[in-house]
Amino acid sequence: AQSVTQPDIHITVSEGASLELRCNYSYGATPYLFWYVQSPGQGLQLLLKYFSGDTLVQGIKGFEAEFKRSQSSFNLRKPSVHWSDAAEYFCAVADGSSNTGKLIFGQGTTLQVKP
Amino acid sequence: KAGVTQTPRYLIKTRGQQVTLSCSPISGHRSVSWYQQTPGQGLQFLFEYFSETQRNKGNFPGRFSGRQFSNSRSEMNVSTLELGDSALYLCASSLKRGVYEQYFGPGTRLTVT
Repeated sequence: AQSVTQPDIHITVSEGASLELRCNYSYGATPYLFWYVQSPGQGLQLLLKYFSGDTLVQGIKGFEAEFKRSQSSFNLRKPSVHWSDAAEYFCAVADGSSNTGKLIFGQGTTLQVKP
Repeated sequence: KAGVTQTPRYLIKTRGQQVTLSCSPISGHRSVSWYQQTPGQGLQFLFEYFSETQRNKGNFPGRFSGRQFSNSRSEMNVSTLELGDSALYLCASSLKRGVYEQYFGPGTRLTVT
């Protein structure tokens, strides 16, 4: 069965520091991968996606992610965190070989930013 | 272009009642998916609609149902509410059926007492 693991439930970084959020997926076929961000009381905003091609993808708000098939990982990075980045981040996977848009989400990582 | 809208934003119901939630997708989007978000179970897929037909369903009891109208708007219904149905219900729309980026609405916060 497909699954997504975000090993870090909570991460605290200082403003201006770099950030890496980890995501590991379990999926045998063609994974399509996404990162979403959710601010309190809000819905999910798409940060970036990977379908195929270049394994380093750029997203909005200065985020990027790297797909590593050998490690079944899709980690999210940002070189310099801003206080407004404090939120919950979700990694998600979908079956690229099927005709369904069903997303499987990780449990989320809460990011706290220290001033 | 307006985003995904969901109504109502907040809802309080009593056990045993039923509830209907509404979702209007982004203009031109034809696929609508619903997700339930709870602190314990996280984000779980409920169902997906395209061309007024349910295309995929998650592992939820039959009390959870939905439909899609010809203008792509969607509703979901939960009958015989249980305390465990308290959750944030999120609707997402995408341009086509299949794996495309999904855009989420703000959600409906349902509280069952």
